[in-house]
Amino acid sequence: GAVVSQHPSWVICKSGTSVKIECRSLDFQATTMFWYRQFPKQSLMLMATSNEGSKATYEQGVEKDKFLINHASLTLSTLTVTSAHPEDSSFYICSARPDRGKVNYGYTFGSGTRLTVV
Amino acid sequence: SQQGEEDPQALSIQEGENATMNCSYKTSINNLQWYRQNSGRGLVHLILIRSNEREKHSGRLRVTLDTSKKSSSLLITASRAADTASYFCATGSSASKIIFGSGTRLSIRP
Repeated sequence: GAVVSQHPSWVICKSGTSVKIECRSLDFQATTMFWYRQFPKQSLMLMATSNEGSKATYEQGVEKDKFLINHASLTLSTLTVTSAHPEDSSFYICSARPDRGKVNYGYTFGSGTRLTVV
Repeated sequence: SQQGEEDPQALSIQEGENATMNCSYKTSINNLQWYRQNSGRGLVHLILIRSNEREKHSGRLRVTLDTSKKSSSLLITASRAADTASYFCATGSSASKIIFGSGTRLSIRP
């Protein structure tokens, strides 16, 4: 149980275009999902907390107009990188935790999306 | 932002040996979690230890937590080649989100 599916696993796009990444909880409901960004050989940096039915909460330094997050249902959150530039190239990972749990359950992560902007 | 540091940044050991990784954090926590990441992949949850626990075991994994020192350690016993990966600690608070440490890259030599 507790499977998170992330799609696509990799994408190459041209500068100036937008890319949407999907994160789905397959067998549980998740009011809250999280989006991380990871550069090579570095740790995961939390970008934003996605809240179902309300606005996402962005971490300091993350441009909300650049990284649009939509959490329209209890099982789906999307991250759209708008007007992508080469510096946006990175590994993006989502995670979620079943609603049934409180603060003492582990999180399930998607398999990540490798974004390359050319 | 990152919660803290992991030590060492990289560790290379012989298969069969034990591997110990340390994690320090800065703020108060509800729990601390350890994750494994194989290269270019997502993260796999290994173990969670609550703030009122001092030690926890799961198979070949042993985790300790010292809240007075704001530190935790992960011990992998009898290491195997398949244990080669990056390991991250992550702290959970009442704010729900978890913040990751800097990670340790573990290499197991056959």
